[in-house]
Amino acid sequence: RKEVEQDPGPFNVPEGATVAFNCTYSNSASQSFFWYRQDCRKEPKLLMSVYSSGNEDGRFTAQLNRASQYISLLIRDSKLSDSATYLCVVRHSGTYKYIFGTGTRLKVLA
Amino acid sequence: DTAVSQTPKYLVTQMGNDKSIKCEQNLGHDTMYWYKQDSKKFLKIMFSYNNKELIINETVPNRFSPKSPDKAHLNLHINSLELGDSAVYFCASSRYSGGADNEQFFGPGTRLTVL
Repeated sequence: RKEVEQDPGPFNVPEGATVAFNCTYSNSASQSFFWYRQDCRKEPKLLMSVYSSGNEDGRFTAQLNRASQYISLLIRDSKLSDSATYLCVVRHSGTYKYIFGTGTRLKVLA
Repeated sequence: DTAVSQTPKYLVTQMGNDKSIKCEQNLGHDTMYWYKQDSKKFLKIMFSYNNKELIINETVPNRFSPKSPDKAHLNLHINSLELGDSAVYFCASSRYSGGADNEQFFGPGTRLTVL
């Protein structure tokens, strides 16, 4: 079993739709959580960090559930430009190691 | 004002050759990483240096040798290249702290093709 698991998708949604991705992690020592976005043939870029109380940035909302060991990303009012792969990233307490999920591919359709 | 830069961007070479990839960051970070992203798009950590000291060394063939001459630079030398080494290699950097805001910044990647 992978340490960080994501549904690879693709999720094909129409413009304006709301879409949600989940990511589960297996190590309870995980301390830091992030969502990264990777466009085709580009480097990953931070979308948002995920905080214990949940956090929002415009149309994007991230939630953390430590008891069930998953994080989620909600995208409201999807835009064509949201089409990308979304990577869930976890870092353990006291380590330098970031563990990436395999990514969830999103396609927003006109 | 590029934060993390890598050279070269593309590298096409024959099996058995030796090649190097270079990475530099101007963010003042103390930790740098090499990742390999294969054809299935899985991003796998290879090495990490903190203040020029090797701190992560995953199960990577010893044909791969990283080197960090200073905090701002991390190079990757690959000996005797094999077909399976074809991938995109990303360099990244971060500032190590106990907080949650220690995101990684990635370079644009080096697309290595071994023929």
